[in-house]
Amino acid sequence: EAQVTQNPRYLITVTGKKLTVTCSQNMNHEYMSWYRQDPGLGLRQIYYSMNVEVTDKGDVPEGYKVSRKEKRNFPLILESPSPNQTSLYFCASRLSLGNTEAFFGQGTRLTVV
Amino acid sequence: AQSVSQHNHHVILSEAASLELGCNYSYGGTVNLFWYVQYPGQHLQLLLKYFSGDPLVKGIKGFEAEFIKSKFSFNLRKPSVQWSDTAEYFCAVRPIGSSNTGKLIFGQGTTLQVKP
Repeated sequence: EAQVTQNPRYLITVTGKKLTVTCSQNMNHEYMSWYRQDPGLGLRQIYYSMNVEVTDKGDVPEGYKVSRKEKRNFPLILESPSPNQTSLYFCASRLSLGNTEAFFGQGTRLTVV
Repeated sequence: AQSVSQHNHHVILSEAASLELGCNYSYGGTVNLFWYVQYPGQHLQLLLKYFSGDPLVKGIKGFEAEFIKSKFSFNLRKPSVQWSDTAEYFCAVRPIGSSNTGKLIFGQGTTLQVKP
């Protein structure tokens, strides 16, 4: 089954403790991205990757890092989480930069205390 | 700056009522347009999309949307809603241009509550 898989689904952590949210897709998609969803703001792009070893900042990259060492994986790293990073995070992938639709993961609800 | 505006934040309807959710965007060039639905506790699912061609697009579950280029709008419609349509709906726009990053720009979302 074609899917985008995120882990964990729920995470509560403390300020400053490094964490990684994993994202994996099995559709051989080139383009992957991370969004955060906050009430009243919709989804905002954090980082994106057009292909292996090619990543760039989205609209709200501060406090986040990503890597794309393999085509299927696109982890989101919070080196020193802060409470303002409490949010619902979605990973998405698309076949390419062209006219293609995005597939979203199940989401990761992160709480930083 | 590019932005997407959804007119209604919270809509309450009775079953069988007709639905129209407004979406306007600010970008003068070519766009791809999408409506996504998010059922409680779930991820976003694509309802319908517009890339080119016929501006009236039909999607899943009886939803349709009309792209009116002159009004920069992409309103979502359904003739008769069901209780199972209770969800949050997001309009999204992907600008296509020389600085194409592939980013989806989302509206704030509209929460639809359908009363049985």
